[in-house]
Amino acid sequence: EVELVESGGGLVQPGGSLRLSCVASGFTFSSYEMNWVRQAPGKGLEWVSDISSTGSVIHYEDSVKGRFTISRDNAKNSLSLQMSSLRVEDTAIYYCARGLRGVLGSPMDSWGQGTLVTVSS
Amino acid sequence: DIQMSQSPSSLSASVGDRVTITCRASQSISSYLNWYQQRPGRPPKLLIYAASSLQSGVPSRFSGRGSGTDFTLTISSLKPEDFGTYYCQQSYTTPFAFGPGTKVDVK
Repeated sequence: EVELVESGGGLVQPGGSLRLSCVASGFTFSSYEMNWVRQAPGKGLEWVSDISSTGSVIHYEDSVKGRFTISRDNAKNSLSLQMSSLRVEDTAIYYCARGLRGVLGSPMDSWGQGTLVTVSS
Repeated sequence: DIQMSQSPSSLSASVGDRVTITCRASQSISSYLNWYQQRPGRPPKLLIYAASSLQSGVPSRFSGRGSGTDFTLTISSLKPEDFGTYYCQQSYTTPFAFGPGTKVDVK
């Protein structure tokens, strides 16, 4: 069974840093594109970043460019999101999600339960 | 960047009703359109991908249509477990924007 488990969320002050992790199991992690998606409290979904199966291709949403860094360790079945210069508006539940292989546009077919990041003074 | 819109923003329907949600992209996205369902306190669930392909395990009462800029998600006969918020998402080009969501209440 596919499982994605996020960790690393918490309370951080504006301008601070945080590193999120997502550990995958139940599938060949190194074969799949992975994503981070966030959801502010009571709001809609916002795609944040994706990374190709090898880590060679990476994209970011404009508001996090230069502040967030996505990475993966295929040997450890792990996805990470290093977040710095955090802003109040980065407060959200952060989900990691797997891209469906071999399908137009790699829709996200498996999601973790999410980890809450709160940016507040 | 491509912007996504949805209508209606919310709806209330009875069990057995046919429900249709519309999604529109600000420019052509071919068939790179996905639909997700999210129940309160849960992560999103993929329902439809590539505009009209039913994700494995999703009931056949869910269907999707469209291409270019205009898309629809239809629930043919609403069941009580279909409450939640439905989001469309384009996967044509980054950033992979989501629509604002349509909240479905079951009467």
